Amino acid sequence: AQSVSQHNHHVILSEAASLELGCNYSYGGTVNLFWYVQYPGQHLQLLLKYFSGDPLVKGIKGFEAEFIKSKFSFNLRKPSVQWSDTAEYFCAVNALTNAGKSTFGDGTTLTVKP
Amino acid sequence: NAGVTQTPKFRILKIGQSMTLQCAQDMNHNYMYWYRQDPGMGLKLIYYSVGAGITDKGEVPNGYNVSRSTTEDFPLRLELAAPSQTSVYFCASSYSAGDPNEQFFGPGTRLTVL
Repeated sequence: AQSVSQHNHHVILSEAASLELGCNYSYGGTVNLFWYVQYPGQHLQLLLKYFSGDPLVKGIKGFEAEFIKSKFSFNLRKPSVQWSDTAEYFCAVNALTNAGKSTFGDGTTLTVKP
Repeated sequence: NAGVTQTPKFRILKIGQSMTLQCAQDMNHNYMYWYRQDPGMGLKLIYYSVGAGITDKGEVPNGYNVSRSTTEDFPLRLELAAPSQTSVYFCASSYSAGDPNEQFFGPGTRLTVL
């Protein structure tokens, strides 16, 4: 079975600080990896995704994530956060042999102080 | 193109009542999913469907039922509401199980069972 672990439950940063949110998954086969974001009062939307090729993927709003296969990790980064990045961030893994079902981590709440 | 729509947005139920949460998508997606999101937790898969007429249980199916008579609609039924079903419910859809299986989410239904 696949599982996802997000190490930080709540992160508080000041504007312009750098961000890195950890995500590790457990699954031995080929996976697709995703980061979703949920802004306050809104539904989840895709931030970025990895399925093959360059392990460094870039998403919307200056976010990027690096897939390190040997570490089963897909950490999310942003060099300089803004107040508008305050949201909840979910890492998800989807094994290609698992009928399209994604497993989500418990989420990390990011609060950016102006 | 409305994407994934859900109704109602909010609902309060008494213990033992029943209700149906509606979900529809207009993207001609094959796969549809129902998740619940409890505070501080990630999304837990309740049921999913890989096409009209085909449904299967997810991680937390007890107390729920689904049907998929058309590609567009995927209602979730609660037969005997219990306080443990107080949660936010999200419906999602995706084109196929192939890569990348990005999921598109609805706005959610906030359900309280008293």
